[in-house]
Amino acid sequence: DTAVSQTPKYLVTQMGNDKSIKCEQNLGHDTMYWYKQDSKKFLKIMFSYNNKELIINETVPNRFSPKSPDKAHLNLHINSLELGDSAVYFCASSQGGRAEAFFGQGTRLTVV
Amino acid sequence: GQQVMQIPQYQHVQEGEDFTTYCNSSTTLSNIQWYKQRPGGHPVFLIQLVKSGEVKKQKRLTFQFGEAKKNSSLHITATQTTDVGTYFCAGPRNTDKLIFGTGTRLQVFP
Repeated sequence: DTAVSQTPKYLVTQMGNDKSIKCEQNLGHDTMYWYKQDSKKFLKIMFSYNNKELIINETVPNRFSPKSPDKAHLNLHINSLELGDSAVYFCASSQGGRAEAFFGQGTRLTVV
Repeated sequence: GQQVMQIPQYQHVQEGEDFTTYCNSSTTLSNIQWYKQRPGGHPVFLIQLVKSGEVKKQKRLTFQFGEAKKNSSLHITATQTTDVGTYFCAGPRNTDKLIFGTGTRLQVFP
């Protein structure tokens, strides 16, 4: 069984569209994250959720909105997509912010 | 804000050579974690160091946490082609945020 799963794996869309990426973890972790990895491989934290509450919101555009229907899910919704949003987005989970993180397979988003 | 830098950014080695990546944080860390990301893959946890000056080994990999808990290193002895990938250090900021270093991309030539 996959510990952290995210869908879709690939997403190609036009500028201005709205899209969502789903993430689910079956590890019982209380903290989930979204990271953005750009072409230089830098992993930048976007959001962190703990027990369904957004506890840290990095300086990302408000076009990005995390939504957590329950402790096991953290979806990422993006409005009005821009070319610069093209990247690989990773979902991850951990038992607290100091514990090891388990990553999903990543979603490669391409905005054309 | 907290920054975690790694050097070098890239490293190309011949198979059998040693490799070291260095990680430096602008703030003291409660622990340091290391991850490996294979090309096209996702980051995978390797190890966590907690104590000042701690050294841990995993086969050919040696991890060290600095005395001041602001830096760390990963050393690979006698690299193999299977070591190819990007190595990240990561440290927690406050209690609920894991910040990743800039990464070191390792290429190993047979």
